[in-house]
Amino acid sequence: QKEVEQNSGPLSVPEGAIASLNCTYSDRGSQSFFWYRQYSGKSPELIMFIYSNGDKEDGRFTAQLNKASQYVSLLIRDSQPSDSATYLCAVGTNAGKSTFGDGTTLTVKP
Amino acid sequence: GAVVSQHPSRVICKSGTSVKIECRSLDFQATTMFWYRQFPKKSLMLMATSNEGSKATYEQGVEKDKFLINHASLTLSTLTVTSAHPEDSSFYICSAREWGNTIYFGEGSWLTVV
Repeated sequence: QKEVEQNSGPLSVPEGAIASLNCTYSDRGSQSFFWYRQYSGKSPELIMFIYSNGDKEDGRFTAQLNKASQYVSLLIRDSQPSDSATYLCAVGTNAGKSTFGDGTTLTVKP
Repeated sequence: GAVVSQHPSRVICKSGTSVKIECRSLDFQATTMFWYRQFPKKSLMLMATSNEGSKATYEQGVEKDKFLINHASLTLSTLTVTSAHPEDSSFYICSAREWGNTIYFGEGSWLTVV
Protein backbone atom coordinates (compact mmCIF):
# COMPACT_ATOMS: atom_id res chain seq x y z
CA GLN A 1 0.00 0.00 0.00
CA LYS A 2 1.32 3.42 -0.93
CA GLU A 3 1.72 5.95 1.84
CA VAL A 4 -0.29 8.49 -0.11
CA GLU A 5 -2.76 7.40 -2.73
CA GLN A 6 -4.51 9.40 -5.36
CA ASN A 7 -6.66 8.32 -8.25
CA SER A 8 -4.48 8.97 -11.26
CA GLY A 9 -7.46 9.91 -13.40
CA PRO A 10 -7.89 11.49 -15.76
CA LEU A 11 -10.83 13.13 -14.08
CA SER A 12 -12.97 14.98 -16.57
CA VAL A 13 -15.61 17.50 -15.58
CA PRO A 14 -17.59 20.03 -17.60
CA GLU A 15 -16.92 23.71 -17.19
CA GLY A 16 -18.80 25.15 -14.25
CA ALA A 17 -19.09 21.83 -12.41
CA ILE A 18 -17.49 20.88 -9.11
CA ALA A 19 -14.31 18.85 -9.40
CA SER A 20 -13.59 16.56 -6.46
CA LEU A 21 -10.09 15.26 -5.93
CA ASN A 22 -9.36 12.71 -3.24
CA CYS A 23 -6.28 11.60 -1.39
CA THR A 24 -5.90 8.89 1.23
CA TYR A 25 -2.92 8.33 3.48
CA SER A 26 -1.68 5.55 5.70
CA ASP A 27 0.21 7.30 8.51
CA ARG A 28 -2.25 8.17 11.27
CA GLY A 29 0.33 10.51 12.78
CA SER A 30 0.21 12.84 9.79
CA GLN A 31 -0.35 16.45 10.71
CA SER A 32 0.09 18.61 7.63
CA PHE A 33 -1.67 18.30 4.29
CA PHE A 34 -1.03 20.10 1.07
CA TRP A 35 -2.48 20.36 -2.41
CA TYR A 36 -0.26 21.37 -5.29
CA ARG A 37 -1.31 22.18 -8.83
CA GLN A 38 1.07 21.45 -11.68
CA TYR A 39 0.55 22.49 -15.25
CA SER A 40 2.28 20.41 -17.88
CA GLY A 41 5.95 21.36 -18.09
CA LYS A 42 5.70 23.77 -15.19
CA SER A 43 6.68 23.72 -11.52
CA PRO A 44 4.19 22.57 -8.88
CA GLU A 45 2.52 25.45 -7.07
CA LEU A 46 0.92 25.29 -3.65
CA ILE A 47 -2.78 26.05 -3.76
CA MET A 48 -4.04 24.86 -0.38
CA PHE A 49 -2.78 23.57 2.92
CA ILE A 50 -4.78 22.30 5.85
CA TYR A 51 -3.72 21.22 9.31
CA SER A 52 -7.00 20.69 11.19
CA ASN A 53 -10.00 18.48 10.66
CA GLY A 54 -12.82 20.03 8.73
CA ASP A 55 -13.07 22.33 5.76
CA LYS A 56 -10.88 25.18 4.66
CA GLU A 57 -12.04 27.45 1.90
CA ASP A 58 -10.03 29.75 -0.32
CA GLY A 59 -11.92 31.22 -3.23
CA ARG A 60 -13.17 28.42 -5.45
CA PHE A 61 -11.06 25.86 -3.60
CA THR A 62 -12.09 23.93 -0.50
CA ALA A 63 -9.83 21.45 1.24
CA GLN A 64 -11.52 18.87 3.44
CA LEU A 65 -9.63 16.87 6.02
CA ASN A 66 -10.89 13.85 7.89
CA LYS A 67 -8.13 12.41 10.04
CA ALA A 68 -10.30 9.62 11.41
CA SER A 69 -10.88 8.31 7.91
CA GLN A 70 -7.42 9.33 6.76
CA TYR A 71 -8.40 11.26 3.72
CA VAL A 72 -8.05 14.75 2.43
CA SER A 73 -9.92 16.10 -0.53
CA LEU A 74 -9.88 19.16 -2.71
CA LEU A 75 -13.05 20.58 -4.18
CA ILE A 76 -12.91 23.03 -7.04
CA ARG A 77 -16.15 24.91 -7.56
CA ASP A 78 -17.16 26.47 -10.86
CA SER A 79 -14.37 24.58 -12.62
CA GLN A 80 -12.69 26.42 -15.46
CA PRO A 81 -10.63 25.07 -18.36
CA SER A 82 -7.65 26.82 -16.76
CA ASP A 83 -8.00 24.45 -13.82
CA SER A 84 -6.94 21.59 -16.09
CA ALA A 85 -3.73 20.33 -14.53
CA THR A 86 -2.28 17.59 -12.38
CA TYR A 87 -3.05 17.95 -8.69
CA LEU A 88 -0.58 16.55 -6.19
CA CYS A 89 -1.48 15.71 -2.63
CA ALA A 90 1.28 15.86 -0.02
CA VAL A 91 1.04 14.56 3.52
CA GLY A 92 3.46 15.55 6.26
CA THR A 93 4.13 13.52 9.39
CA ASN A 94 5.08 14.57 12.90
CA ALA A 95 8.66 13.70 12.06
CA GLY A 96 8.54 16.37 9.40
CA LYS A 97 8.85 14.23 6.30
CA SER A 98 6.27 14.66 3.58
CA THR A 99 5.12 12.13 1.05
CA PHE A 100 3.62 13.16 -2.24
CA GLY A 101 0.97 11.25 -4.10
CA ASP A 102 1.41 10.49 -7.77
CA GLY A 103 -1.15 13.10 -8.71
CA THR A 104 -4.57 13.25 -10.33
CA THR A 105 -4.96 14.70 -13.79
CA LEU A 106 -7.98 16.95 -14.09
CA THR A 107 -9.48 18.02 -17.40
CA VAL A 108 -12.17 20.66 -17.46
CA LYS A 109 -14.03 20.61 -20.75
CA PRO A 110 -15.52 23.85 -22.11
CA GLY B 1 3.80 35.85 3.42
CA ALA B 2 6.10 32.92 2.98
CA VAL B 3 7.49 31.41 6.12
CA VAL B 4 10.01 29.31 4.20
CA SER B 5 11.93 31.07 1.49
CA GLN B 6 13.79 29.23 -1.24
CA HIS B 7 16.30 30.84 -3.55
CA PRO B 8 16.83 30.98 -6.46
CA SER B 9 13.45 30.15 -7.92
CA ARG B 10 15.01 29.44 -11.29
CA VAL B 11 18.61 28.79 -12.21
CA ILE B 12 20.42 27.75 -15.34
CA CYS B 13 23.93 26.40 -15.12
CA LYS B 14 26.44 24.84 -17.43
CA SER B 15 27.15 21.15 -17.33
CA GLY B 16 30.02 20.38 -14.97
CA THR B 17 29.50 23.36 -12.70
CA SER B 18 27.97 23.42 -9.23
CA VAL B 19 24.88 25.25 -8.14
CA LYS B 20 23.61 26.08 -4.67
CA ILE B 21 19.99 26.35 -3.60
CA GLU B 22 19.09 27.95 -0.29
CA CYS B 23 16.18 27.21 1.98
CA ARG B 24 15.47 29.64 4.81
CA SER B 25 12.91 29.52 7.58
CA LEU B 26 11.85 33.12 8.11
CA ASP B 27 9.78 33.11 11.28
CA PHE B 28 10.99 30.09 13.16
CA GLN B 29 13.99 27.96 13.86
CA ALA B 30 14.10 24.64 12.09
CA THR B 31 16.44 21.97 13.36
CA THR B 32 15.29 19.77 10.53
CA MET B 33 14.63 20.61 6.91
CA PHE B 34 13.84 18.34 4.01
CA TRP B 35 14.76 18.37 0.35
CA TYR B 36 12.62 16.92 -2.43
CA ARG B 37 13.05 16.47 -6.15
CA GLN B 38 10.66 15.78 -8.99
CA PHE B 39 11.64 13.37 -11.72
CA PRO B 40 10.14 13.67 -15.22
CA LYS B 41 6.49 12.68 -15.31
CA LYS B 42 6.74 11.67 -11.65
CA SER B 43 5.75 13.05 -8.34
CA LEU B 44 8.14 14.58 -5.83
CA MET B 45 10.41 12.33 -3.84
CA LEU B 46 12.29 12.95 -0.61
CA MET B 47 16.01 13.24 -1.25
CA ALA B 48 17.39 13.90 2.19
CA THR B 49 16.79 15.17 5.67
CA SER B 50 18.92 18.14 6.62
CA ASN B 51 19.93 18.20 10.27
CA GLU B 52 21.25 21.36 11.89
CA GLY B 53 24.78 20.87 13.10
CA SER B 54 25.16 17.33 11.82
CA LYS B 55 25.30 15.34 8.63
CA ALA B 56 22.30 15.05 6.40
CA THR B 57 20.44 11.78 6.12
CA TYR B 58 20.06 10.69 2.52
CA GLU B 59 17.35 8.49 1.09
CA GLN B 60 18.33 5.32 -0.67
CA GLY B 61 19.69 5.92 -4.14
CA VAL B 62 20.59 9.60 -3.59
CA GLU B 63 24.27 10.34 -4.15
CA LYS B 64 25.47 12.22 -1.10
CA ASP B 65 28.65 13.38 -2.82
CA LYS B 66 26.65 14.85 -5.65
CA PHE B 67 23.93 16.50 -3.62
CA LEU B 68 25.71 18.23 -0.78
CA ILE B 69 23.48 19.42 2.02
CA ASN B 70 24.62 21.84 4.67
CA HIS B 71 22.48 22.99 7.58
CA ALA B 72 24.81 25.48 9.19
CA SER B 73 22.24 27.41 11.17
CA LEU B 74 18.77 26.94 12.59
CA THR B 75 17.27 28.94 9.75
CA LEU B 76 19.27 27.91 6.71
CA SER B 77 19.83 24.73 4.77
CA THR B 78 21.58 24.62 1.44
CA LEU B 79 21.57 22.03 -1.31
CA THR B 80 24.54 22.09 -3.66
CA VAL B 81 24.34 20.10 -6.85
CA THR B 82 27.96 19.37 -7.71
CA SER B 83 29.24 18.74 -11.22
CA ALA B 84 25.76 19.17 -12.54
CA HIS B 85 24.63 17.27 -15.61
CA PRO B 86 21.53 17.66 -17.76
CA GLU B 87 19.89 14.73 -15.97
CA ASP B 88 20.04 16.78 -12.76
CA SER B 89 17.65 19.28 -14.31
CA SER B 90 14.61 19.15 -12.11
CA PHE B 91 12.34 20.91 -9.68
CA TYR B 92 13.78 20.95 -6.16
CA ILE B 93 11.75 21.99 -3.14
CA CYS B 94 12.48 22.19 0.56
CA SER B 95 10.33 22.05 3.63
CA ALA B 96 10.85 22.83 7.28
CA ARG B 97 9.06 21.78 10.43
CA GLU B 98 8.45 24.38 13.07
CA TRP B 99 8.18 23.69 16.78
CA GLY B 100 4.46 22.89 16.65
CA ASN B 101 5.12 20.20 14.03
CA THR B 102 3.52 22.26 11.31
CA ILE B 103 5.32 21.84 8.02
CA TYR B 104 5.96 24.65 5.59
CA PHE B 105 7.26 24.31 2.06
CA GLY B 106 9.48 26.67 0.15
CA GLU B 107 8.43 27.95 -3.24
CA GLY B 108 10.70 25.53 -5.07
CA SER B 109 13.63 25.95 -7.43
CA TRP B 110 13.72 24.97 -11.06
CA LEU B 111 17.21 23.88 -12.12
CA THR B 112 18.15 23.61 -15.77
CA VAL B 113 21.56 22.24 -16.66
CA VAL B 114 22.67 23.01 -20.19
